[in-house]
Amino acid sequence: DAGVTQSPTHLIKTRGQHVTLRCSPISGHKSVSWYQQVLGQGPQFIFQYYEKEERGRGNFPDRFSARQFPNYSSELNVNALLLGDSALYLCASSFETSGIDTQYFGPGTRLTVL
Amino acid sequence: KNEVEQSPQNLTAQEGEFITINCSYSVGISALHWLQQHPGGGIVSLFMLSSGKKKHGRLIATINIQEKHSSLHITASHPRDSAVYICAVMNYGGSQGNLIFGKGTKLSVKP
Repeated sequence: DAGVTQSPTHLIKTRGQHVTLRCSPISGHKSVSWYQQVLGQGPQFIFQYYEKEERGRGNFPDRFSARQFPNYSSELNVNALLLGDSALYLCASSFETSGIDTQYFGPGTRLTVL
Repeated sequence: KNEVEQSPQNLTAQEGEFITINCSYSVGISALHWLQQHPGGGIVSLFMLSSGKKKHGRLIATINIQEKHSSLHITASHPRDSAVYICAVMNYGGSQGNLIFGKGTKLSVKP
């Protein structure tokens, strides 16, 4: 069974542009979470979606948005890119949203903003 | 002060040594995760704990809920154990129980 997949693996954008990152969860998983990991730091929570609804949002500006589709895949959108948005963006899926549910991480999308 | 603190930040060991990585947290949690991140970014979940102790191969994870502390031990360390080890907690309150991460411990095991 395939794990969590993310696309693209690498992306280079310039300041002010828009980017869309994609995530496909493990089959049967209904919850998708997005994290941003800046070099040398631990990941920071951005969003969680469950059954196509936003269930949680971290401390990120409105330039960041996301959605979840009926097949439970998800997109993370970032508008008006800043240099500081350069990071590894990680997607994780789980079956539910309970606090004791294991999250499975994808390989990440490395975004570079020039 | 970060809600999840790990120590040490960097750790170099000789092959075969016993390794301990510590994690302290300041929030109420429903579970604690130990994760392994290799160069290139991929993260693997090693353990999820809500109490006591878990063992998988050469890895042992313990948690003391009262003291808000967890440890990850690696016995008979090997160069392939070289990675960043991250402690993350599932916050009991806050935003729908999503993970709060420590900054990670970079482990390098020399042959």
